[in-house]
Amino acid sequence: DTAVSQTPKYLVTQMGNDKSIKCEQNLGHDTMYWYKQDSKKFLKIMFSYNNKELIINETVPNRFSPKSPDKAHLNLHINSLELGDSAVYFCASSQSGGGPEQYFGPGTRLTVT
Amino acid sequence: AQSVTQLGSHVSVSEGALVLLRCNYSSSVPPYLFWYVQYPNQGLQLLLKYTSAATLVKGINGFEAEFKKSETSFHLTKPSAHMSDAAEYFCAVSAASNDYKLSFGAGTTVTVRA
Repeated sequence: DTAVSQTPKYLVTQMGNDKSIKCEQNLGHDTMYWYKQDSKKFLKIMFSYNNKELIINETVPNRFSPKSPDKAHLNLHINSLELGDSAVYFCASSQSGGGPEQYFGPGTRLTVT
Repeated sequence: AQSVTQLGSHVSVSEGALVLLRCNYSSSVPPYLFWYVQYPNQGLQLLLKYTSAATLVKGINGFEAEFKKSETSFHLTKPSAHMSDAAEYFCAVSAASNDYKLSFGAGTTVTVRA
């Protein structure tokens, strides 16, 4: 049973396209996150949702739009993809009031050509 | 705001030798501290966490870390390295006052020599 899953695992697309990454967690958590890991492996938070409400929105281009249809799902839609968007995107989840640790998905490697 | 600094981007150890990865934190409020491990082409796995209970924290795979407030440090150690410990290690900090947003260090790559 995968706790935090992401689809797809790999995504190769051309500049200007629009793409989505999906995340699902079966841990019963109420908070979900998106992180970006660049080519130097630096990890930076992008967004966080708590009970479907956006609570963290870092300085991210507005081409990136998260959406949480329910507590178990958090999707990331990216418009007009650019070369600089190439990275690994990680989804994570945690339970508010249940400890601050976050559990990560396997990542989605996005390559923009 | 919280931040962490990992000293040493690359650590090479012999199999059976001590593994020591250094992490210093900065936080204006009591921090929560974590070590995560990332194996090649995989996600991040939680090794251990400090959440203001015991200062010596034991984690999985024989790793442990000690919280030292006076030194603002949270170094990770393992007495005897195994080949399977080769991976990327990240120190991270969060705080309840910041919606538990994790701020990561730059990571330390560990290689293990036979």
